Amino acid sequence: AQKVTQAQTEISVVEKEDVTLDCVYETRDTTYYLFWYKQPPSGELVFLIRRNSFDEQNEISGRYSWNFQKSTSSFNFTITASQVVDSAVYFCALSSSYNTDKLIFGTGTRLQVFP
Amino acid sequence: GAVVSQHPSRVICKSGTSVKIECRSLDFQATTMFWYRQFPKKSLMLMATSNEGSKATYEQGVEKDKFLINHASLTLSTLTVTSAHPEDSSFYICSAPDRRLVNYNEQFFGPGTRLTVL
Repeated sequence: AQKVTQAQTEISVVEKEDVTLDCVYETRDTTYYLFWYKQPPSGELVFLIRRNSFDEQNEISGRYSWNFQKSTSSFNFTITASQVVDSAVYFCALSSSYNTDKLIFGTGTRLQVFP
Repeated sequence: GAVVSQHPSRVICKSGTSVKIECRSLDFQATTMFWYRQFPKKSLMLMATSNEGSKATYEQGVEKDKFLINHASLTLSTLTVTSAHPEDSSFYICSAPDRRLVNYNEQFFGPGTRLTVL
């Protein structure tokens, strides 16, 4: 069975703080994909990153960085120097290589960044 | 990136009525679209896969007679909530992959439709 766990329900930080959102996944597939999506208050999901299970390199995109560790089945997301506009719900998701369209979402982490 | 729209964005209806929600891919064709349901402060749950030219595939536990899906064209899928009841109140989101892209399984999500059944 596939499962995504985001243990942090809500996180509050003050602007300019760094924050890490945790994501732990379970799958029996040898090949799979991991995603992070942002859902601002407007409700529309915004794609942030897609990672193939064969690629364990960490990725940095501006203030965003992702740490993929297969050994611990984790795909954590760090926002450096957080800003108020980062306030949103962030979802980690998993899909199998056998059915790449079907996304299994975690329960999400609500991030609030205060000025 | 590709754009997916939904209409309406918000709908309030009386119990017992049916509500139709449209999902459109605006700048690409989508033979497959997906319908999700999101309860307040909860995760997204995949309800069904909408297939152009064939029947939708429903996830376990989703009543296909309750949630009718029609993929009328390569750019339009509709979700009809039949005989809606208050427990059907939720945020419904559709998505579609743009197969033209290198990351062909990247999903583009619509802005969602908030359904409130009184």
